[in-house]
Amino acid sequence: AQKITQTQPGMFVQEKEAVTLDCTYDTSDPSYGLFWYKQPSSGEMIFLIYQGSYDQQNATEGRYSLNFQKARKSANLVISASQLGDSAMYFCAMNYGGATNKLIFGTGTLLAVQP
Amino acid sequence: DSGVTQTPKHLITATGQRVTLRCSPRSGDLSVYWYQQSLDQGLQFLIQYYNGEERAKGNILERFSAQQFPDLHSELNLSSLELGDSALYFCASSVRGGGASSGANVLTFGAGSRLTVL
Repeated sequence: AQKITQTQPGMFVQEKEAVTLDCTYDTSDPSYGLFWYKQPSSGEMIFLIYQGSYDQQNATEGRYSLNFQKARKSANLVISASQLGDSAMYFCAMNYGGATNKLIFGTGTLLAVQP
Repeated sequence: DSGVTQTPKHLITATGQRVTLRCSPRSGDLSVYWYQQSLDQGLQFLIQYYNGEERAKGNILERFSAQQFPDLHSELNLSSLELGDSALYFCASSVRGGGASSGANVLTFGAGSRLTVL
């Protein structure tokens, strides 16, 4: 069965420093996608970055990069130069090839950026 | 603005009542998803529609039902409400509804409908 694990319930980081949020996944499907979403205190879910299982290079979107290690089944999110506005809950999610496109989510990591 | 519109944003109702949550997907997206987020259960997939047809069902209670209309908007109906149904209900949409994973499978979420059952 597919599963997403986020082992860090909460993290602190100093403003302007880089931070890595951990995510491991479990699937036997060869085709899958890995996603990161941000949920600020206002509640909306904001898409950050996507990595496909066949993508050769790690995905990057501005200050966000996804450290994809297929053999280890990990998809860690790296946020460079943290900003106060990065304080939020971060969710790792996965979908897999097939007739449905539903996402399964991890339990999330609450990131607090300190000035 | 994500392009996915959910109404109402907040809803307070009593146990035993029925409510309807509405979702308009992003322009061009054919698939709609409903998720429930609660403190104890986290983000739970409820149901997916693709171009008007049910595509996948998750942990959706029998008291809940949904549909996607020809104009692609969707409604989630919650009946015989219980205290435990209090949650944030998200609608999301995507271009594709399945197949090999690609960027076209990215789900765009609405702002959510916060339901409080008293």
